[in-house]
Amino acid sequence: GQQVMQIPQYQHVQEGEDFTTYCNSSTTLSNIQWYKQRPGGHPVFLIQLVKSGEVKKQKRLTFQFGEAKKNSSLHITATQTTDVGTYFCAPEETSGTYKYIFGTGTRLKVLA
Amino acid sequence: DTEVTQTPKHLVMGMTNKKSLKCEQHMGHRAMYWYKQKAKKPPELMFVYSYEKLSINESVPSRFSPECPNSSLLNLHLHALQPEDSALYLCASSHSADPYEQYFGPGTRLTVT
Repeated sequence: GQQVMQIPQYQHVQEGEDFTTYCNSSTTLSNIQWYKQRPGGHPVFLIQLVKSGEVKKQKRLTFQFGEAKKNSSLHITATQTTDVGTYFCAPEETSGTYKYIFGTGTRLKVLA
Repeated sequence: DTEVTQTPKHLVMGMTNKKSLKCEQHMGHRAMYWYKQKAKKPPELMFVYSYEKLSINESVPSRFSPECPNSSLLNLHLHALQPEDSALYLCASSHSADPYEQYFGPGTRLTVT
């Protein structure tokens, strides 16, 4: 089945530093979602990417979908303590199936 | 109302007990999901309902039995669970058309003794 790896597994940054997490799939993806889960919380939807090479921005967050639609990245500029949590990518295995496979996640800690 | 509610928040059950987890949403979503999440791991998809019909069962053991009585409710019936089934059980819902943004409930923390 589809495997979705994220790197790094953990990242500690000083507040104000940038952060990037990468999501890599062994298969071509139809679309990919990103979620954030705060410690003790539940996943919260951030964005969905559909098109090859797509780039979307939300304030300090920049999401990118690879040209081959096999990888994606999330970049946070000037991290804040509120960015703490685990970031998951979740590609849909086949379009329209509702079958989302969550990536392994990247746990971000921001040191004030 | 963009909330998914789950009850109970916590559940402790023995291996011979029968219990049910409940999930409710009033966003008009026609796709509903059950996920299982172990500590420090990603959510694992268990079941998907689309228009109240089971569309995905990720080879989940029969001791977990899902039910979708109507478009707003989703249940997960538990019977003869094992200690390794202890986890956070998350319910989610989404529209049945793009975008499939999933709204998650706060989860039920299940402990099997």
